[in-house]
Amino acid sequence: EDQVTQSPEALRLQEGESSSLNCSYTVSGLRGLFWYRQDPGKGPEFLFTLYSAGEEKEKERLKATLTKKESFLHITAPKPEDSATYLCAVWDTNAGKSTFGDGTTLTVKP
Amino acid sequence: DTGVSQDPRHKITKRGQNVTFRCDPISEHNRLYWYRQTLGQGPEFLTYFQNEAQLEKSRLLSDRFSAERPKGSFSTLEIQRTEQGDSAMYLCASSETGGGREQFFGPGTRLTVL
Repeated sequence: EDQVTQSPEALRLQEGESSSLNCSYTVSGLRGLFWYRQDPGKGPEFLFTLYSAGEEKEKERLKATLTKKESFLHITAPKPEDSATYLCAVWDTNAGKSTFGDGTTLTVKP
Repeated sequence: DTGVSQDPRHKITKRGQNVTFRCDPISEHNRLYWYRQTLGQGPEFLTYFQNEAQLEKSRLLSDRFSAERPKGSFSTLEIQRTEQGDSAMYLCASSETGGGREQFFGPGTRLTVL
């Protein structure tokens, strides 16, 4: 059974205080690791796709990296508008489905 | 760009009633997915379609749940004889063909079963 574990569950930062979110996964046929942002009451918003270990993607203050067992979402100098829940998901090509983690809820205080 | 749309956005029903939700994917996307999300949890995979074919269905999905995509465009998710445990956000997403493609989500349908 595929497993995706995200840590920490919640993270509170001061504006400008950089940090990282972790996503550990166990999947038999990994074909893509995805990061999404979700605001309360809304559907997830796609951020990044990573396909192979060593791959990195960047967008504004966010940078996603991938190893064979985990992925990190680095947030540099966050702003209050970065406050949201960040979800990690994997696509298992053997099982033919996605598995999501339970997310990290980020709060950035001004 | 119309994105993924879902209707209704909110549904309140009484236990035992049937409900149906609709999802309209991004027009050029062949794959359509359904998820269920409860508070504090990540989306849970329910099923997905490649055009009109239902390719995978979660074994956790009760027989009370059924999904269709008759013409390979919009999809419907029906829940029969609703139970209070069915209360959740039901999310629809779409993607281009192929495993491991990024999925674009709709705003969700919030179901409350009284």
